[in-house]
Amino acid sequence: QITLKESGPTLVKPTQTLTLTCTFSGFSLATNGVGVGWIRQPPGKALECLALIYSNGDKRYSPSLKSRLSVSKDTSKNQVVLTMTNMDPVDTATYYCAHQYDWADFFDYWGQGTLVTVSS
Amino acid sequence: DIVMTQSPDSLAVSLGERATINCKSSQTILYNSNNKNYLAWYQQKPGQPPNLLIYWASTRASGVPDRFSGSGSGTDFTLTISTLQADDMAVYYCQQYYTTPLTFGGGTKVEIQ
Repeated sequence: QITLKESGPTLVKPTQTLTLTCTFSGFSLATNGVGVGWIRQPPGKALECLALIYSNGDKRYSPSLKSRLSVSKDTSKNQVVLTMTNMDPVDTATYYCAHQYDWADFFDYWGQGTLVTVSS
Repeated sequence: DIVMTQSPDSLAVSLGERATINCKSSQTILYNSNNKNYLAWYQQKPGQPPNLLIYWASTRASGVPDRFSGSGSGTDFTLTISTLQADDMAVYYCQQYYTTPLTFGGGTKVEIQ
């Protein structure tokens, strides 16, 4: 059974760097064709895909946020880490990590999400 | 970026009636080499993460009731709930995975009339 769980701070100050960890089970990022995505959702708004990381180490970022994002994986720990620099109140959102369906970039399993508030 | 436009923003449907949600992509998401449309539909209930309903535009995900169906090709797609149940109250999103950046529609809220 595939599960994912996001962890990290619930409150960050403007200009700070956010670091979120996705800890998963039921699959391995050492397996070909596997990927994990980070998706966020501001309160009452739509979904936005931030980043993807694949088993082969390839990474994809939202073009509008690319300069602020970094994603990495620790295969031995079954974790994926997302960092976002220079946080702003508009970055207040629920951040989800999700399992990418085999060899296709849609998401069949999602974590419960973590609400991150950016405020001084 | 491929822009995904959903309509309507919201709709109210009586229990047992049909609900239809539209999704339009700004360019084709049909990959000619395999004749597949790179479109997924999700259902999201309040306080919960999205739940995958449909992929490849018309393939139901595991455990999804058959009252949910997806159709369309190229740039125009539809999610249909054939007989609305109370449990179907939610926001529905389409997502293209033809190319990165992956993009979602703005969502359609389905309410009970």
